[in-house]
Amino acid sequence: GAVVSQHPSRVICKSGTSVKIECRSLDFQATTMFWYRQFPKQSLMLMATSNEGSKATYEQGVEKDKFLINHASLTLSTLTVTSAHPEDSSFYICSARDPVNQETQYFGPGTRLLVL
Amino acid sequence: QKEVEQDPGPLSVPEGAIVSLNCTYSNSAFQYFMWYRQYSRKGPELLMYTYSSGNKEDGRFTAQVDKSSKYISLFIRDSQPSDSATYLCAMSEGGITSGTYKYIFGTGTRLKVLA
Repeated sequence: GAVVSQHPSRVICKSGTSVKIECRSLDFQATTMFWYRQFPKQSLMLMATSNEGSKATYEQGVEKDKFLINHASLTLSTLTVTSAHPEDSSFYICSARDPVNQETQYFGPGTRLLVL
Repeated sequence: QKEVEQDPGPLSVPEGAIVSLNCTYSNSAFQYFMWYRQYSRKGPELLMYTYSSGNKEDGRFTAQVDKSSKYISLFIRDSQPSDSATYLCAMSEGGITSGTYKYIFGTGTRLKVLA
């Protein structure tokens, strides 16, 4: 099956710093990637849709200036949490849309962010 | 009312039991229905993908969609302790219809299969 990786898997940072998370599709090209956030014992909440070569589309209530998304190539999307605060601590998961079966998404392993 | 409702569990069953997991939804425009398995602190893994109503079988897993009742199910036969995980349903309207390929997820059901 299609493989999506994320880096780093875990990150701990101080409040006020910025953190960049990478999402890569390893064996296919993805024009569309998605970024989700998952709090403990809760479901995945879509934050934004990342389209290669264009601006991301953010969901209602998600601050685009705080969560910067860049999708500069067909295999890489990045999410930067700017000026992170403890309430940003969460599990961030990306997915990539299958270019053949376009209704299918393959998920990365997630990045656990802890802001102190 | 949430767009997708799913009982969070936990659901505990003995090894070998048939497990039934369900989701209900309110958006009649949903056409694509997925089931994902998520182990603790890991990303979701696609188990089943169904378009419109009907049944789909893959090994020990069977997915059912009843669009008239807005109800979907995942059955796991001969459950194993390794099936212990959180099972998430996800739905979408479809990119051609809605212009996006967004998924709406249920809250997930935690399943424990006891040896």
